Amino acid sequence: DTGVSQDPRHKITKRGQNVTFRCDPISEHNRLYWYRQTLGQGPEFLTYFQNEAQLEKSRLLSDRFSAERPKGSFSTLEIQRTEQGDSAMYLCASSLTGELQPQHFGDGTRLSIL
Amino acid sequence: GQNIDQPTEMTATEGAIVQINCTYQTSGFNGLFWYQQHAGEAPTFLSYNVLDGLEEKGRFSSFLSRSKGYSYLLLKELQMKDSASYLCAVRRGMRFGAGTRLTVKP
Repeated sequence: DTGVSQDPRHKITKRGQNVTFRCDPISEHNRLYWYRQTLGQGPEFLTYFQNEAQLEKSRLLSDRFSAERPKGSFSTLEIQRTEQGDSAMYLCASSLTGELQPQHFGDGTRLSIL
Repeated sequence: GQNIDQPTEMTATEGAIVQINCTYQTSGFNGLFWYQQHAGEAPTFLSYNVLDGLEEKGRFSSFLSRSKGYSYLLLKELQMKDSASYLCAVRRGMRFGAGTRLTVKP
């Protein structure tokens, strides 16, 4: 069990650019979640997948954000036309199926928009 | 909508006991989780409650009252390494509170 891994760990980009983050969940985990966290706040839910199906998407998620999990394993989160307000830590978590299964978090990708 | 409230900061002394409260209002409820997050690190799972009552896990215990929309995390025999943020989360998707930053002093 290598845990949840995220790549890159840090991303610095100019406003208006597109960025893509990758998450590799724990191998036997069916569910994969994306969160955004800013300083002093708890993680904010963005979206989650059950295998390759995207089952829920936060209403806070603008159409500049898109996530995929094409083969039910790794996932990507893309942000198009980045804005200053997108600067945050983007966390990925995975779990087994079931409401009582704890989520295991990766170390996150820190995005800084210049 | 969903509202999850926790105190922003707490301070306690090494060796003491501290209770971190969480109140919630949600449109659905499938369980309440507690996570620990050290500065600059990912959250790590501590405990969950689905039914009313106390769940004990070593130095950590968590309590839930669904009728009151209330939970607490109890930390005993505090150690310096317990200085961290403690996040309360309601299982509907997973909605987190803002976290309580606990500082343990010698």
